[in-house]
Amino acid sequence: NAGVMQNPRHLVRRRGQEARLRCSPMKGHSHVYWYRQLPEEGLKFMVYLQKENIIDESGMPKERFSAEFPKEGPSILRIQQVVRGDSAAYFCASSALAGAGNEQFFGPGTRLTVL
Amino acid sequence: KNEVEQSPQNLTAQEGEFITINCSYSVGISALHWLQQHPGGGIVSLFMLSSGKKKHGRLIATINIQEKHSSLHITASHPRDSAVYICAVKGGSEKLVFGKGTKLTVNP
Repeated sequence: NAGVMQNPRHLVRRRGQEARLRCSPMKGHSHVYWYRQLPEEGLKFMVYLQKENIIDESGMPKERFSAEFPKEGPSILRIQQVVRGDSAAYFCASSALAGAGNEQFFGPGTRLTVL
Repeated sequence: KNEVEQSPQNLTAQEGEFITINCSYSVGISALHWLQQHPGGGIVSLFMLSSGKKKHGRLIATINIQEKHSSLHITASHPRDSAVYICAVKGGSEKLVFGKGTKLTVNP
């Protein structure tokens, strides 16, 4: 059973370009979480999705960021018109169910560098 | 004040020493996670616990719900244990709230 997969592992974009980060959850997992780790800072929650639905996006910047988790295919975190401050490691996690007893499993992360 | 506080921020030990990393939180939680992150690497979940104590190999995690405190212990530390250890809590929602991490260096 493959773990959570993220691609690309490293992504370089110039200011103003778009970045698309993909996350394939563990098999059988329908809950996906995106977290961001800015340089020298701790991890911060961005968004929680369940198949085709955004459940909690309280950590998402109001502009330029969007996320989706379609019925088929990976979850996508999209950043439009990237700026240098978007440079960070973006981690995806997945769980089988919601609730206290359900562990989140993390992917290897995508390291975004904005030039 | 952060909802999750870890101490110490940095810890250097000699191989074989017993290590303790502490985590205090200020909110009611349903679960607490201990995570490990190697430099430039991904995040590995070590433990998820909501009460009592769990053990896996040389790692032990404890939690005291009344005192809102958890500890991660490493027995017989080894240089390969060098990593950042992160405490994260799940409160009333599904999102995790993270501490800033404890950077552990174990010297041979």
